[in-house]
Amino acid sequence: GAVVSQHPSWVICKSGTSVKIECRSLDFQATTMFWYRQFPKQSLMLMATSNEGSKATYEQGVEKDKFLINHASLTLSTLTVTSAHPEDSSFYICSQRTGVSGNTEAFFGQGTRLTVV
Amino acid sequence: GQNIDQPTEMTATEGAIVQINCTYQTSGFNGLFWYQQHAGEAPTFLSYNVLDGLEEKGRFSSFLSRSKGYSYLLLKELQMKDSASYLCAVTNVRTDSWGKLQFGAGTQVVVTP
Repeated sequence: GAVVSQHPSWVICKSGTSVKIECRSLDFQATTMFWYRQFPKQSLMLMATSNEGSKATYEQGVEKDKFLINHASLTLSTLTVTSAHPEDSSFYICSQRTGVSGNTEAFFGQGTRLTVV
Repeated sequence: GQNIDQPTEMTATEGAIVQINCTYQTSGFNGLFWYQQHAGEAPTFLSYNVLDGLEEKGRFSSFLSRSKGYSYLLLKELQMKDSASYLCAVTNVRTDSWGKLQFGAGTQVVVTP
């Protein structure tokens, strides 16, 4: 299956600073990547769909100016949490699918544990 | 959007069988996935159903009824390592042209000795 590499695995930052999370597709050219957020003991909540070469599509309630997504190439998508606050502390995971239909499973990065202090 | 419901937690003993139910409400259904997620880790793929019926993969089986908007994941011969959260996810052909998955809240399965 496709390999998705996410970096960093964990990060601690001060309130008010920005954090960038990278998601790389190692063996597949991903025109689309998905960014999820997961709070403790809760499920994955889709934040946005990242499209190579165009603007990301954000889910309702997700601030696009706070969570900046850049998908400049077919193998790299980045999520930047700007002006981070303690309530942004969460587990952020990217994923990609190699197709949009059929039994094309989603492959996930390792996830990034963000703690804002 | 789509409503995806599954139980919060289930407990079973080692060697037993557990069935995790998932109900969903959506139009343009295009497939249902089950994922396993251990604490602090990314989800891993377990199964996919798009047609009605049972799909069996070793100790894990998944069933789908599209008319009822219902699926279940069956875990047999439970092992301690099966203690994890099990996520039901649905993809919708009408709204998810990019193939995004919407996840249920997950069912925490606790396997006891």
